[in-house]
Amino acid sequence: AQTVTQSQPEMSVQEAETVTLSCTYDTSESDYYLFWYKQPPSRQMILVIRQEAYKQQNATENRFSVNFQKAAKSFSLKISDSQLGDAAMYFCAYRTQFGTSGTYKYIFGTGTRLKVLA
Amino acid sequence: DGGITQSPKYLFRKEGQNVTLSCEQNLNHDAMYWYRQDPGQGLRLIYYSQIVNDFQKGDIAEGYSVSREKKESFPLTVTSAQKNPTAFYLCASSTGQRHEQYFGPGTRLTVT
Repeated sequence: AQTVTQSQPEMSVQEAETVTLSCTYDTSESDYYLFWYKQPPSRQMILVIRQEAYKQQNATENRFSVNFQKAAKSFSLKISDSQLGDAAMYFCAYRTQFGTSGTYKYIFGTGTRLKVLA
Repeated sequence: DGGITQSPKYLFRKEGQNVTLSCEQNLNHDAMYWYRQDPGQGLRLIYYSQIVNDFQKGDIAEGYSVSREKKESFPLTVTSAQKNPTAFYLCASSTGQRHEQYFGPGTRLTVT
């Protein structure tokens, strides 16, 4: 069964600095999608970035980028120029086929709480 | 604006009562999901529906029930059989074209 592991329950970063959140996953599939979601204190889940496994190029979205290492099954999130508004829980997620063709299940890690220090 | 709505934001019930959590989306997404979130455990899948009038159990379906009579609506009933119902509940939807899930704002259920 697929699993997603986030080994850092909590991280801190100084404002304007860079931080990397780790995520590893276990799968036997060759084609899949990976995601990072942000959950601020409001608890609304917000998509940060998405990576297709068949793409070698790492995804980037403004200050957010990933380091996708398919062979190592690693999918880390780098946040550059950290801002106070980046403080949140961050969840790594993996999409896998579920049941019949065309249906998908999303597996989430346990999250990393990011604190941004002024 | 398109999105997912969940109501109410906070819900309080007495033990032994069934309670239904609402989830509505106007994104025209086929698939809808219910998750439970507890501290330190991430999101766990309760139920999932790919199309109207069809749904499948997730990892923790015991004590819960759902219906999918309309594409836009996927209500979750927390029954008295759920041994520890106090939690934060998130509804989500997805479409094949975009691959990611979109989430509602969640409902915090407290049972005493």
